[in-house]
Amino acid sequence: DAGITQSPRHKVTETGTPVTLRCHQTENHRYMYWYRQDPGHGLRLIHYSYGVKDTDKGEVSDGYSVSRSKTEDFLLTLESATSSQTSVYFCAIRTGDNYGYTFGSGTRLTVV
Amino acid sequence: AQSVTQLDSQVPVFEEAPVELRCNYSSSVSVYLFWYVQYPNQGLQLLLKYLSGSTLVKGINGFEAEFNKSQTSFHLRKPSVHISDTAEYFCAVSTMDTGRRALTFGSGTRLQVQP
Repeated sequence: DAGITQSPRHKVTETGTPVTLRCHQTENHRYMYWYRQDPGHGLRLIHYSYGVKDTDKGEVSDGYSVSRSKTEDFLLTLESATSSQTSVYFCAIRTGDNYGYTFGSGTRLTVV
Repeated sequence: AQSVTQLDSQVPVFEEAPVELRCNYSSSVSVYLFWYVQYPNQGLQLLLKYLSGSTLVKGINGFEAEFNKSQTSFHLRKPSVHISDTAEYFCAVSTMDTGRRALTFGSGTRLQVQP
């Protein structure tokens, strides 16, 4: 199985502070994704990447930015955290042409 | 754009009873279909997926789903559930295009298996 790790696993931060979440893969998969999970909404796509320095927006991208300077790392940044960004964040990688996706274990972010 | 509707937010069922979790999708192009399971405080695990071929797809843990193109549905079934099946289940679609190839998820169905 493709290795994918997210860090940190849990974070509590104050409103207005910047926060960066990291997604790391141990292989060289091209597509990486950031989702947020909220009750009643399932998982919603924030941003995705299709290669180094190639990123694009998803459906709920406002207030978030991403960067991918290396194939293995995909960073999600909340420039100025708000309480509405309290959520569980999942990273995913697309592992092949057979539409395989692997998800990380998630980061629980609380903005107080 | 595509969308997914999971018609039931919660489904209570007794152990060893059959269960069906409903999923309908909307898309202007052909889609691939998926079911994922999420156990408490864990990530998502693939149960099964439909890419092409037989419309009846068998997955892990005794689950199966049937793709119905005319009804745009992909309902998940299990003939006899166990306590350990208690989890949240997500239906998802991805379109057959060369774009972002991202999954679009439904809002989830919480399956509660009671003894």
